[in-house]
Amino acid sequence: DAGITQSPRHKVTETGTPVTLRCHQTENHRYMYWYRQDPGHGLRLIHYSYGVKDTDKGEVSDGYSVSRSKTEDFLLTLESATSSQTSVYFCAISVRVQEKLFFGSGTQLSVL
Amino acid sequence: RKEVEQDPGPFNVPEGATVAFNCTYSNSASQSFFWYRQDCRKEPKLLMSVYSSGNEDGRFTAQLNRASQYISLLIRDSKLSDSATYLCVVNNNDMRFGAGTRLTVKP
Repeated sequence: DAGITQSPRHKVTETGTPVTLRCHQTENHRYMYWYRQDPGHGLRLIHYSYGVKDTDKGEVSDGYSVSRSKTEDFLLTLESATSSQTSVYFCAISVRVQEKLFFGSGTQLSVL
Repeated sequence: RKEVEQDPGPFNVPEGATVAFNCTYSNSASQSFFWYRQDCRKEPKLLMSVYSSGNEDGRFTAQLNRASQYISLLIRDSKLSDSATYLCVVNNNDMRFGAGTRLTVKP
């Protein structure tokens, strides 16, 4: 299995609080991604990164920001969490852009 | 219309059965295609890529029909362990996931 660790695995927070999810990889892959998965929807891309300090928006980026200061770490921040951001969040990595993604185990986030 | 559409199922089949899923996509310029498998409460895992000429991996066969804009996954001799949700993924400069088709294989 690809070396991808997401933390925390579960998080319950209140509306309006900031939340940061962490993705750590040991594969030294250049490309990293954050997705969210909701019932009835496919995984939807939030943000992605082509390398250190090189990030871009995905399909559902509103309300989220990311940072990548090291190759191995990709952080997803919800500046002010809302109930609509209750979801399962997956980090993924790939060798080539948008090809053959390897996923972390996911973070279940509940915003009350 | 969603960019990638799958029948959500569930498909309930007995062990040993052959089952097929289709996935339709709307963007004719899509470049590459994949099937992922996702077990309950787990992360998606790449099952196989889908090539224009069709490809087979053991009991699994994937096919692409560009003219009709769909891909298919055929599973032969179903095992209990095949029970999962199968996600169709279409790449057109970004990866678009279908919502998945749920398969349950019963003894």
